[in-house]
Parts: sequence; C-alpha cells; structure tokens
Amino acid sequence: AQKITQTQPGMFVQEKEAVTLDCTYDTSDPSYGLFWYKQPSSGEMIFLIYQGSYDQQNATEGRYSLNFQKARKSANLVISASQLGDSAMYFCAMREGRTNAGKSTFGDGTTLTVKP
Amino acid sequence: GAVVSQHPSWVICKSGTSVKIECRSLDFQATTMFWYRQFPKQSLMLMATSNEGSKATYEQGVEKDKFLINHASLTLSTLTVTSAHPEDSSFYICSALMTSGMADTQYFGPGTRLTVL
Repeated sequence: AQKITQTQPGMFVQEKEAVTLDCTYDTSDPSYGLFWYKQPSSGEMIFLIYQGSYDQQNATEGRYSLNFQKARKSANLVISASQLGDSAMYFCAMREGRTNAGKSTFGDGTTLTVKP
Repeated sequence: GAVVSQHPSWVICKSGTSVKIECRSLDFQATTMFWYRQFPKQSLMLMATSNEGSKATYEQGVEKDKFLINHASLTLSTLTVTSAHPEDSSFYICSALMTSGMADTQYFGPGTRLTVL
C-alpha cells in the first residue's frame, strides 16, 4: 500500500486565490512527521512546512498552512493568495518513527499552475 | 537557512565513463545525506542513505557497485556513477539531514542532470 497519496496530478488556481493540495498518508507508527516540498522547473526541492504527529496545532509558514486531520490521516497544504511564482510541483512526504535514519517517503506530486 | 550545494549542475558524458557528483551542506553539518533519482514528472526515488564515516545503505534494487557513495566528511557526500550507460541518464538530487529530533528536516541540493550519450 502506498504510504503517501497525492490524488491530484495537476491543479489550476487563479492568481490571488487560495488553493488546497491534498495528501493522505498511511502509517501505524504513532510518531511521524509530515513535510511539504516545492519543486519549481529548475528542479530544486524547497522545504515549505513541517507537521509533527504530536503537534496540537496546524503548522503555518507565511502563506503556507497545513490542514492536519490526524483521524483522517490527511495533511493537506493550503496556499493562500496564490502568486505566479507558486507554479511548481509540490510533494508531500512522511517520515515514520524517531529513529528511521531520517528517511522520508514521498508522494507522486501535484503540479500546480497559477493562472494570471 | 540551510543550504545544500551540488556540483556539477549538469553533465554530459560518453557511455562507459564514470561521473562523480558532489553534495555539500554549506552551513550545517550532516551526518546523514540521501541520494535520489528522479525521472521527468515523477516522484523522487531514494537510492541510498549516506552516513558519514561508514558505508552507505542502498535501497533494494540499487546496484552499489554501480553507484558508489562516499561520505568522507560531515559536509560532503559524493555519488559516482560508474561505467555510465544511457539508461543512467536522469536527474540526481541529494539532500542533507539537519537533525532536530522528530523535526529532522531534509534540505535538498539543486540537482544534477546527467545525460549519457
């Protein structure tokens, strides 16, 4: 079974609007971390936001927020006030356990296109 | 912020030659680095975990004699693609792990695009 599922291969959003990118995960480990990365066409993976399984509040970083619903095992990324520069591929990732050598499992990604 | 560099950013080589790719953490020490391979429009595939001062741990299906990894210092890991063939053409990305308990975060290099003719 896939550990990280991103069901939206591609998404479009109008500039200045908000967009939600979906991510669901599967784990039996009570301790895990969830990450979102942005990969523009240049190829570099840019870390956006982190949510720990024990965190009580949803993570936020500027225009990025993570809608963490633990019971549903979902960790959707919300981008507010979209900008043209947000057009990129976005990956959700999960690391299980406290001593998993830091390895993360990545989803298949969602390509976001921001329209002017 | 945490910066990871990769060199070269792109390389074209002839079939049968070896290519070395460097990954450096510029402003932090990383005992663990990772090497990924990515095909166009696809996710990252973890190839191996590079541990400073010890042998790398390879993922299933990755030939360790084909993809040599050396993590000689806390800021440098190298991936050498030996006897490269056209099927090795890909985008190779490294990441360095900044440790902070469960919030350990991978910071990625800009990637190396390898083309084998």
